[in-house]
Amino acid sequence: DVKVTQSSRYLVKRTGEKVFLECVQDMDHENMFWYRQDPGLGLRLIYFSYDVKMKEKGDIPEGYSVSREKKERFSLILESASTNQTSMYLCASRAPSGGTDTQYFGPGTRLTVL
Amino acid sequence: SQQGEEDPQALSIQEGENATMNCSYKTSINNLQWYRQNSGRGLVHLILIRSNEREKHSGRLRVTLDTSKKSSSLLITASRAADTASYFCATDAVGAQKLVFGQGTRLTINP
Repeated sequence: DVKVTQSSRYLVKRTGEKVFLECVQDMDHENMFWYRQDPGLGLRLIYFSYDVKMKEKGDIPEGYSVSREKKERFSLILESASTNQTSMYLCASRAPSGGTDTQYFGPGTRLTVL
Repeated sequence: SQQGEEDPQALSIQEGENATMNCSYKTSINNLQWYRQNSGRGLVHLILIRSNEREKHSGRLRVTLDTSKKSSSLLITASRAADTASYFCATDAVGAQKLVFGQGTRLTINP
């Protein structure tokens, strides 16, 4: 079974801190994604990556950056956390289009910025 | 921008009844997928229907796709309390590298 893991289930940080959210998948998927989920707004795509060292902006990249140094790992970075970045963060991976097409999600990280 | 839109936003039914959720989208798609999310957890893939398919079944799940109306429905038959969750449709648009998720339907099954 595909497994996508995220480094923390719950995280509390202070405004201005640099925050790293880590995501690891074990299925050799090329594509990886970071979403945030807020009540009433559904899932919004922050960044995605379709290969090592490649990244593409999603719908709401402002205030975030990403790193993909290895195929299995995709990191989301909040350079200077702000209270409006309090949210549930979901990582996902997927085989290239034309493969299974299914997206596999991690359990989520609930980040609170004080 | 979100392409899939689910309807209704919330649905509450009695255990044993059938639950129907709808999804509309705007552009041509390769496939449409339905996902489930239990409270505070990640999303889990339920079923995928390709653009050349009209209906698909998986256990108590039935999905239909009408590409002329750009809409899909998810039917859960003989609902159980454990079906309580949020359900999302996601579209794999032609030429896109990513899925686009709707805002979800929150389903509550009352015992």
